[in-house]
Amino acid sequence: KAGVTQTPRYLIKTRGQQVTLSCSPISGHRSVSWYQQTPGQGLQFLFEYFSETQRNKGNFPGRFSGRQFSNSRSEMNVSTLELGDSALYLCASSLEGTSGRSMFFGPGTRLTVL
Amino acid sequence: GIQVEQSPPDLILQEGANSTLRCNFSDSVNNLQWFHQNPWGQLINLFYIPSGTKQNGRLSATTVATERYSLLYISSSQTTDSGVYFCAVENYGQNFVFGPGTRLSVLP
Repeated sequence: KAGVTQTPRYLIKTRGQQVTLSCSPISGHRSVSWYQQTPGQGLQFLFEYFSETQRNKGNFPGRFSGRQFSNSRSEMNVSTLELGDSALYLCASSLEGTSGRSMFFGPGTRLTVL
Repeated sequence: GIQVEQSPPDLILQEGANSTLRCNFSDSVNNLQWFHQNPWGQLINLFYIPSGTKQNGRLSATTVATERYSLLYISSSQTTDSGVYFCAVENYGQNFVFGPGTRLSVLP
């Protein structure tokens, strides 16, 4: 099975612009989670989608949004970019199970905001 | 929310040495995973281990859920083991919470 894929891998934007990142989960996985990783804050949870519905949301401003499509692919959007949004954005997919679930991460999108 | 601590924050080893990484969590969890983040940023899934002991080659992990901690053992370390090791816990339907990580450097 192919792993989790994320596009683009690298992105450079300027303040005030918006950006859309894409994540394709492992085939058969219906849950997709997004994380932001920065040197100062570590790995922070953004949101999780399951069957096209947002199931959990982290403590991020409304500029961060996401969605999931019927094929389980997910996108996240950041509007009005700020310098502090520079980070590695990681997507993970998981297969729900009665005994728990195991997350698998994509390679990440490294966003630089100038 | 649930708090996750990892120790030590940094670890430097000579190739061939053994090490133990610890993860403490503040509340009951139904899911715990260990990950290795390589220098390119990829998070590699090492163990899904909400309780008990598992082994995979030179790596093994033990979680004592009743005492709220997990240990990751690395034996005969190699330079390719370098990177950051994270534990992440899930609390019954909530999102996964990651610890701050242990940065491991294995010297040749």
